[in-house]
Amino acid sequence: DADVTQTPRNRITKTGKRIMLECSQTKGHDRMYWYRQDPGLGLRLIYYSFDVKDINKGEISDGYSVSRQAQAKFSLSLESAIPNQTALYFCATSVGVGTGGLVDTQYFGPGTRLTVL
Amino acid sequence: AQSVAQPEDQVNVAEGNPLTVKCTYSVSGNPYLFWYVQYPNRGLQFLLKYITGDNLVKGSYGFEAEFNKSQTSFHLKKPSALVSDSALYFCAVRPRGSGGYNKLIFGAGTRLAVHP
Repeated sequence: DADVTQTPRNRITKTGKRIMLECSQTKGHDRMYWYRQDPGLGLRLIYYSFDVKDINKGEISDGYSVSRQAQAKFSLSLESAIPNQTALYFCATSVGVGTGGLVDTQYFGPGTRLTVL
Repeated sequence: AQSVAQPEDQVNVAEGNPLTVKCTYSVSGNPYLFWYVQYPNRGLQFLLKYITGDNLVKGSYGFEAEFNKSQTSFHLKKPSALVSDSALYFCAVRPRGSGGYNKLIFGAGTRLAVHP
């Protein structure tokens, strides 16, 4: 979905390095999410944010941190990357409650492929 | 534990034949149900969802899904497959009453291969 962009699209880094993945959206959505995708495991939620002042841990937040710089921007950081963080990372957005048929539909960015050597 | 199962890693079908991609879930209550598709080097694209009402839900690209409450299933279907339908398909579930937290539980994905 072109309304949700992620940078970089690909990144190779070394163990111990700090990495930041960025997500921007023009959909005007309040809610943003970070997932990782591993083969055979589907997508797992890392962090989510309901608005600029709200940050929540997902099911696999250890080793990650996030920053919601603005309604449209949500960054994911790996403080000290390790090889088992090699994965495909997706940002997603959703509009939030009280919006009828649009409730609950998440829209995904194109993903960032991260390799930690 | 809440979970979503997609029992087939891959589904192979000939172009023009009907296709079914299976999904069952183990979530309490009456969850919202979703299907997403992922094409190579692309993010997930929303296909369709079930919120309430008619058990047969129609979505994008000619896909539909049938909700079966007694079997806790939400199988994705298409009457006539196209080669361009070849992709990775994810079933996802959101428990109701989760305090506004839009938590999606994803299945592992099923790769659909449509052969000419």
